[in-house]
Amino acid sequence: EAGVVQSPRYKIIEKKQPVAFWCNPISGHNTLYWYLQNLGQGPELLIRYENEEAVDDSQLPKDRFSAERLKGVDSTLKIQPAELGDSAVYLCASSSGGSGNTIYFGEGSWLTVV
Amino acid sequence: KQEVTQIPAALSVPEGENLVLNCSFTDSAIYNLQWFRQDPGKGLTSLLLIQSSQREQTSGRLNASLDKSSGRSTLYIAASQPGDSATYLCAVIRGSYQLTFGKGTKLSVIP
Repeated sequence: EAGVVQSPRYKIIEKKQPVAFWCNPISGHNTLYWYLQNLGQGPELLIRYENEEAVDDSQLPKDRFSAERLKGVDSTLKIQPAELGDSAVYLCASSSGGSGNTIYFGEGSWLTVV
Repeated sequence: KQEVTQIPAALSVPEGENLVLNCSFTDSAIYNLQWFRQDPGKGLTSLLLIQSSQREQTSGRLNASLDKSSGRSTLYIAASQPGDSATYLCAVIRGSYQLTFGKGTKLSVIP
């Protein structure tokens, strides 16, 4: 069974440019998360989806960040315009829901803004 | 607000040694606790999930315990190997599947 797939793995962009990250969760997982991880820190939640509904986006900086999960499967996270401080790892995770289920992470998308 | 602390931040041990990684949390009203491993340049790999009704979980050389009343969890690694070198993160899970992570413990196992 394929795990959580993210692309691109690495991205270098100039500040003020847009960037988008894509995530394909494990088949059948209706809960999808986007996390931000800065160097030397633990991941922090940006947004959580239950199917196609964003049920927790309180930590998403909505002035420049947006996300969507059309049809409740794949998801895209966009930053426009990117700032130097956005350089980080963007992790996607999924689970089948329920408090007793393991959460699985992708390999992450590593963003460098120059 | 839930706070998760992992001590030590870094640990270096000789191969073959048994070791314990610590995770403490401030709010004991959690559903589960999950331990992850992160290799350099990689995402997070789930190691063990302990549900709130459980006190420990084992997988191979790994054993994780959970004491909700004291707000602590430990990850025990037996007979450490160089391949165990990585950063280990714990995450507490409470309402609405909200995960709060610690900053991790960077483990180096010296051959």
